[in-house]
Amino acid sequence: AQSVAQPEDQVNVAEGNPLTVKCTYSVSGNPYLFWYVQYPNRGLQFLLKYITGDNLVKGSYGFEAEFNKSQTSFHLKKPSALVSDSALYFCAVRDAPRHGGYNKLIFGAGTRLAVHP
Amino acid sequence: DGGITQSPKYLFRKEGQNVTLSCEQNLNHDAMYWYRQDPGQGLRLIYYSQIVNDFQKGDIAEGYSVSREKKESFPLTVTSAQKNPTAFYLCASSKQGYEQYFGPGTRLTVT
Repeated sequence: AQSVAQPEDQVNVAEGNPLTVKCTYSVSGNPYLFWYVQYPNRGLQFLLKYITGDNLVKGSYGFEAEFNKSQTSFHLKKPSALVSDSALYFCAVRDAPRHGGYNKLIFGAGTRLAVHP
Repeated sequence: DGGITQSPKYLFRKEGQNVTLSCEQNLNHDAMYWYRQDPGQGLRLIYYSQIVNDFQKGDIAEGYSVSREKKESFPLTVTSAQKNPTAFYLCASSKQGYEQYFGPGTRLTVT
């Protein structure tokens, strides 16, 4: 079965330092991977995705993610964190094709990022 | 939050009452979804729909119902059979096989 894991409930980082939010996945077939961010009492915002191609994917707000097939990981990164990056981050993987060809997303439990001034 | 609207933002109901949450999108997306989010937890899929007049149960469909009479609209009814209805409800839409775009959410409180 497809699954995604975010091993850290919370990540703390000082403003200006690099940040990493971890995600590992388990899929059959080629993975379609996504990162979303959620601010308090808001919906999720799409940050970036990996479908195929370069292992380093660039997304919104200066975020990027590195796809590593051998480690089955898709960690979210940013070279220099901002206080405004503090939010809840979700990794997601597309579920295996079902009857009719439909693919739904499976979300991780989320990682809360706290960036301190 | 793109072209997806959810209303109302906050909703309060008495236990035993059915309540309908609205979700509308103007992105011309075929697929629409409803998720439930509880504090400290990820998203759980309630129902999804690929096309008009078709929808499928997700992982936690019991106590919920949906309809998809128009491409733009995918309302969710939380029935009295749902044992723990208090939660944050998120609607999303997507083109087939692409990333999902989310609405701003509705926070439902049942007392």
